Amino acid sequence: SQKIEQNSEALNIQEGKTATLTCNYTNYSPAYLQWYRQDPGRGPVFLLLIRENEKEKRKERLKVTFDTTLKQSLFHITASQPADSATYLCALGGNSGYALNFGKGTSLLVTP
Amino acid sequence: GAGVSQSPRYKVAKRGQDVALRCDPISGHVSLFWYQQALGQGPEFLTYFQNEAQLDKSGLPSDRFFAERPEGSVSTLKIQRTQQEDSAVYLCASSLGTGPQPQHFGDGTRLSIL
Repeated sequence: SQKIEQNSEALNIQEGKTATLTCNYTNYSPAYLQWYRQDPGRGPVFLLLIRENEKEKRKERLKVTFDTTLKQSLFHITASQPADSATYLCALGGNSGYALNFGKGTSLLVTP
Repeated sequence: GAGVSQSPRYKVAKRGQDVALRCDPISGHVSLFWYQQALGQGPEFLTYFQNEAQLDKSGLPSDRFFAERPEGSVSTLKIQRTQQEDSAVYLCASSLGTGPQPQHFGDGTRLSIL
């Protein structure tokens, strides 16, 4: 069955460092992948979308890579800030463009 | 409105009661999705509308769950004869068109079944 795995443990890093979150998937051939941020009690907020024919995407302090051979995406936040503390969700989409399949999320805590 | 609006934010019901959850998507958005999110888990897809047409309802857990979007804007998710395992956050999302693009989520309805 399709499986999406994100860092199982919470990630604690110091302010100013680069946070790297992983998303691995099996039994899946996604056409694209998205990353979302979710704060407690709130809905997910879209961050970045990367398609299967793209290797890397950047937006301000955010960078995402997509390796369809390794079946893995890496999500980087450079110069992290305490305000970046949240849960980050990886979501895979198929060619139909309908449903997103989400991972469990990784909790990130950035300490001053 | 500026974003996706869901109501109520919280709903408590007794087992066996019927509930209705409302979603107001961003005006003009063609696509509308419903997801269910259990504590500590990622959202799980329930159903998808393109305008008023329900194109995918493969994620609905049982025939107790029913969704509609009669005029292609507001959507309602109805759960009949609620059970304790229905307790979760129900999220609605909309997107401008179809295909790969950002989904804009509401803050969800937290449903608790006693």
